[in-house]
Amino acid sequence: DTEVTQTPKHLVMGMTNKKSLKCEQHMGHRAMYWYKQKAKKPPELMFVYSYEKLSINESVPSRFSPECPNSSLLNLHLHALQPEDSALYLCASSLGLAGGAQQTQYFGPGTRLLVL
Amino acid sequence: GIQVEQSPPDLILQEGANSTLRCNFSDSVNNLQWFHQNPWGQLINLFYIPSGTKQNGRLSATTVATERYSLLYISSSQTTDSGVYFCAVERGLGDDKIIFGKGTRLHILP
Repeated sequence: DTEVTQTPKHLVMGMTNKKSLKCEQHMGHRAMYWYKQKAKKPPELMFVYSYEKLSINESVPSRFSPECPNSSLLNLHLHALQPEDSALYLCASSLGLAGGAQQTQYFGPGTRLLVL
Repeated sequence: GIQVEQSPPDLILQEGANSTLRCNFSDSVNNLQWFHQNPWGQLINLFYIPSGTKQNGRLSATTVATERYSLLYISSSQTTDSGVYFCAVERGLGDDKIIFGKGTRLHILP
């Protein structure tokens, strides 16, 4: 099973709302990632978790708050977002962060977020 | 940091045609992946190919690590091949990041 699932598929929220994106994998992977992708651009790395600990935060604004409750789950909590945060949010996982084949990433289908 | 350049940026082909997509990278890499992003946004893992040649059906890829480039070949294109093809590399220096190229947007006409 090489599947990463993400919910919801679509999300519309106001600037004062609080919402969460969810990501799940059951491949036994120990590294999980959040990416943001704007139209016609490549994915941009936001956060990396390794063994449930935050490994990389790419200077993401605090209105995005990641959480890794266990090795299979990754959440992204959203609060007080701006319209420019509208994008496709992708989750990925890999075996680990040791480089090489271990970092082969598998992506979920993404959540399309619209902030009004 | 490492630079990843993909060419061409856009490609329009008739169904049945063959194509070659190129990825150049500026430093030695420990991991190189090719992805296909379909029109619905799903990124599909095509190949893990830091060196050598691999084939999967109508798709094949070759990476010449010493010359720092990789090629993705698509033969007998189908409309379902449309989308964006990304090359992504990782240096293996413990910085934990995979760097994406800007992608090649492929449109297959029926």
